[in-house]
Amino acid sequence: GAVVSQHPSRVICKSGTSVKIECRSLDFQATTMFWYRQFPKQSLMLMATSNEGSKATYEQGVEKDKFLINHASLTLSTLTVTSAHPEDSSFYICSAAGGASNTEAFFGQGTRLTVV
Amino acid sequence: GESVGLHLPTLSVQEGDNSIINCAYSNSASDYFIWYKQESGKGPQFIIDIRSNMDKRQGQRVTVLLNKTVKHLSLQIAATQPGDSAVYFCAEKKGGKLIFGQGTELSVKP
Repeated sequence: GAVVSQHPSRVICKSGTSVKIECRSLDFQATTMFWYRQFPKQSLMLMATSNEGSKATYEQGVEKDKFLINHASLTLSTLTVTSAHPEDSSFYICSAAGGASNTEAFFGQGTRLTVV
Repeated sequence: GESVGLHLPTLSVQEGDNSIINCAYSNSASDYFIWYKQESGKGPQFIIDIRSNMDKRQGQRVTVLLNKTVKHLSLQIAATQPGDSAVYFCAEKKGGKLIFGQGTELSVKP
C-alpha cells in the first residue's frame, strides 16, 4: 500500500505553547487528507477534512482556530495545535487519500501529544 | 467531531479458530467500506475494502461481508493467529469523509 509519514511520533510540550504535526504522502499525491483524534480505548474521531489548496472542513465541535490545518501541497498537510492545554493530550492521526485509487485512505503512524 | 461508539467491545478467540467481527454502519448512502487493523500506539492499517455493489469480498485469510438491508458489515478472519491480536475498525465513506465505526479488540489465546 501507499506510504504516509507522520512526524513527530511523540511530542511533549508545555501548556500554552503550540505544536505542529506533519503528514506527508511519500509515493502518491494526496488530494484529500483527514485528521483524527483518538482517546484511549476509543474509536477515531474525525476532526477535519482538507483538500489541497482549499480551507479545511472542520467537524462540529472542533475549534478551527485551535486546530489549524494547512494542506498547501499534494504531499503535505500540517496540523498545528495552538495554545495547547493538558486536555489536548491525545493521539492524533492523519490519513491521505488520492493517487491511483481515489477512495482508499492510508494512515500515518500517529502522534502522541502530551501537554504538561 | 464525528464518530460512532465510545468504548471498545472485546472478542477473545483461541488460536487457529475463525474470528468474526461485526460492525453496524449509519448511512445507507455510503458506497465504500473499509476494515482497518490498529495495533497499540500505531495508526490504522488497511485490511480489506468493499464497495456497495458487492456483498462479499475475499482477501488472504480475510473475508468481508456487506448486508445493505440491515446496514451491517462483518470481517471474518480464518485460522486466527496471535499476530492478529489488535483493535479492528470498520469505516464508511460518507460525503467525502471517512467515518470510523466502533472498534472491536481482538485477543487471540495461544
